[in-house]
This record gives sequence, C-alpha cells and structure tokens, in this order.
Amino acid sequence: GENVEQHPSTLSVQEGDSAVIKCTYSDSASNYFPWYKQELGKGPQLIIDIRSNVGEKKDQRIAVTLNKTAKHFSLHITETQPEDSAVYFCAAIFNSGNTPLVFGKGTRLSVIA
Amino acid sequence: KAGVTQTPRYLIKTRGQQVTLSCSPISGHRSVSWYQQTPGQGLQFLFEYFSETQRNKGNFPGRFSGRQFSNSRSEMNVSTLELGDSALYLCASSLGASAGNEQFFGPGTRLTVL
Repeated sequence: GENVEQHPSTLSVQEGDSAVIKCTYSDSASNYFPWYKQELGKGPQLIIDIRSNVGEKKDQRIAVTLNKTAKHFSLHITETQPEDSAVYFCAAIFNSGNTPLVFGKGTRLSVIA
Repeated sequence: KAGVTQTPRYLIKTRGQQVTLSCSPISGHRSVSWYQQTPGQGLQFLFEYFSETQRNKGNFPGRFSGRQFSNSRSEMNVSTLELGDSALYLCASSLGASAGNEQFFGPGTRLTVL
C-alpha cells in the first residue's frame, strides 16, 4: 500500500553540525514531496518541498534531495541551531495526486548547544 | 493574513460522548483536510473537503464524520468516543484541492477521552 518510511526516529546533533533525515516511498508515481517542521504545541509548518522534475532544492540552511529511481528523498539542515530542535515530517502524494498527503512517522531532532 | 484557527484548543470528554471540532481556514482557501496525530501512529488522514464536498476519506470508522460550510469553515464530529480517540486533531487548509498544494496547518485540538 501507500507508505512513507522515515529514519531516524530521533536525532541529536551538536550546534553547528549538519543533520540529515531520510525518507523512502512506495509509489513510483509520487511527484510531490513536502517536509514539515512541528514545534511543541503547534501544528506542522511547511519548510521546503520538492517536485519530481528536480533533483535538489535549497533554501538557506535547508536542502532537499530527491532520487526518483531509488524512491527516496532527504532533508539536509546545515549549521544547525537550537531553534532547529523540533519534530520533522516528510510526506508524499500518491496516485498521481488524487489522494492526500501520506506522512512519515517523524524525526525528533535535538540540537545541543 | 490570519492563519488556520481551530476551536477549542483543548477538550476533555468521557467514553460514549460525542464531540464537534471546528476549523476556520485561511481566507480564500477552499480545501480543508483533517488529520489525527498520535504518538504511535503519527499523522493519519481523516478526510478532505473541497467546496463543501468530501473529496477524500481516510481509513477511519463511521463514527468520524465531517462537513464543510459555504464559507469553507469545517467541522468534524466524533460520536461514541473511545479511549483510543485521544489525540491531537489537526486541520489544514489549502488554496485548491490538497494534492500538490501547500497545506497550512492549524495548532490543533487536543482531545482527551477519559
């Protein structure tokens, strides 16, 4: 069935280091892959997304890469800061966009000052 | 521009009761999706409404229902509450139908069933 696997479930990094979160998906027809950040007491907030016609997208310290052949995509955060601490979710659209987003189980990122 | 608002923010109910949650989307957004978030299952899709019509439905029992009004505001209802319904219920709005459109989430309603 439609599935998004996300790893790791928890990640601790020192301030200034990089963090990488990886997701794999089951449907080769998926074409939209957003990443959300959820802080305590808040709803998820979109931080970056990528569509299947590009392999990489950057926005300041955040980048996402997509490998459609291998069916995986990754979030890269460079020069991490304490305010990056949150739960991050990857997601994918299946069935050529006729179904809603399917989310990964989330990664709790802790940036240690 | 005001974000997505959800009311109430916190709710405590007992088993067997019913509950209605409300979501007001961003002005101009016509699609509202509802999700259940629990520590064990993560974010699970409940249903999506677009222009007052249910466009998609997740794999939840019939006790979970929803509707959308002409002003795009949406409500979801859970009847005969069970302990396992305790969760954070999130709604998200988007300009068009959710697929491929950026979804903006509200802060959620924390439901506790005793």
